This record gives sequence, structure tokens and C-alpha cells, in this order.
Amino acid sequence: AQTVTQSQPEMSVQEAETVTLSCTYDTSENNYYLFWYKQPPSRQMILVIRQEAYKQQNATENRFSVNFQKAAKSFSLKISDSQLGDTAMYFCAFMKSGGSNYKLTFGKGTLLTVNP
Amino acid sequence: DAGITQSPRHKVTETGTPVTLRCHQTENHRYMYWYRQDPGHGLRLIHYSYGVKDTDKGEVSDGYSVSRSKTEDFLLTLESATSSQTSVYFCAISESRPYQETQYFGPGTRLLVL
Repeated sequence: AQTVTQSQPEMSVQEAETVTLSCTYDTSENNYYLFWYKQPPSRQMILVIRQEAYKQQNATENRFSVNFQKAAKSFSLKISDSQLGDTAMYFCAFMKSGGSNYKLTFGKGTLLTVNP
Repeated sequence: DAGITQSPRHKVTETGTPVTLRCHQTENHRYMYWYRQDPGHGLRLIHYSYGVKDTDKGEVSDGYSVSRSKTEDFLLTLESATSSQTSVYFCAISESRPYQETQYFGPGTRLLVL
């Protein structure tokens, strides 16, 4: 079974600064996907970024980028030029690829507050 | 945004009563999922469906049943609600094609069992 660990329950950052959220996972699988989802106060779950394990290049989406270290089983999220709208709970999630289902295993989340 | 709706969005019920939550999609995706979200636990999978009439259990399925009679609808039923089932319930959908398995979530249903 896979496990996902987010060791930072809460973090804060000043507007316009950069912050990194940590995520580690445990799996015996070689082919999988990793995701970061954002949950703002509206409670909507929003996909931030996705990484395929077979890709060595780190995924980026505008101000969001990841540092994927497969050997270390680490998948951190970097948010550059933080904005007030980035205030949210962030969840790291794991999905095995090539199976008969596509279940997500989530970490417990990191609450990020962006301060003005 | 993926076309996913959940109904009701909020519900208050009493212990022992049956409750059905509905997830409706307009994307014609094959896979549908039900998760619950509780403080300190993140999201946990209750049940999922991989096609019409094809369902399977997730990690926290006790006390829940599901049905999928049409591609677009996935129902979650609490046969006899308990206070431990007070939670926020999310539906998600995904494709089954390679590299298209990303899950997209509905807006959630907040359920309070008194």
C-alpha cells in the first residue's frame, strides 16, 4: 500500500515571496503519478500540478513548480511570487499508473497562509 | 472546469436515517469516485466505479453503498447514518485512457448527522 506524508501541517509566507511545501511518499511501484491539489476556503479541490514518475524533468505551471526526487521519494511544491489567492490547503497525492483503477492516495495536507 | 455537480450541497440528518448523495457528470468519463474529507485525514476513498454497474470498495467503505445505473450518475448511500459519517463528501471523475487519468473533483457535499 502507498502512503503519502506531508510533514508541515501549517506554513505561512509573505506576499510576493517564495515558499516550498514538502511531500514524501512510500511505494514499491515504479510507474506512477504525483499530484498537488489546492483547496481554498471555498472547499473546491483544484488540480495545481501533475508529475509522471517516468519523466526526469520537473513539472511547472506558471508560478508553481515541483522538485521531484524519485530515488528519495520526495515531491515538493514551490510557489513563486506568492499571492493572497494562494491561501489554501494543499494536498499531495499519489496514483499508481497502469492499474485497473486510478485511485488517489492523499497526504493530510498543508495549510498555507499568504500574508499581505 | 470539469462538469461535475453534487447534490445536495448541504444536508442535516438524524442518526439512523438513510441518506443518498448524488454525483452527476457531463464529461462522459468512465471512472467515478467518492471520497470523504475529515480533519487530520485528508481525503479517503470510499467507493469507486469503473463503468455502469461496475463498482468496488475503497479504504473506508463500511456503512456505505453505491450504485451506478448510468454513465453520468454515481450515487452514494448511507443506509443508516451515524454521527461518525459526519463529513464532507467529494465526488471525482477521471478518464481511463493512458495519461488522462487525472481526477477532477465536484464541489463537495457537507453532511451533518445529529
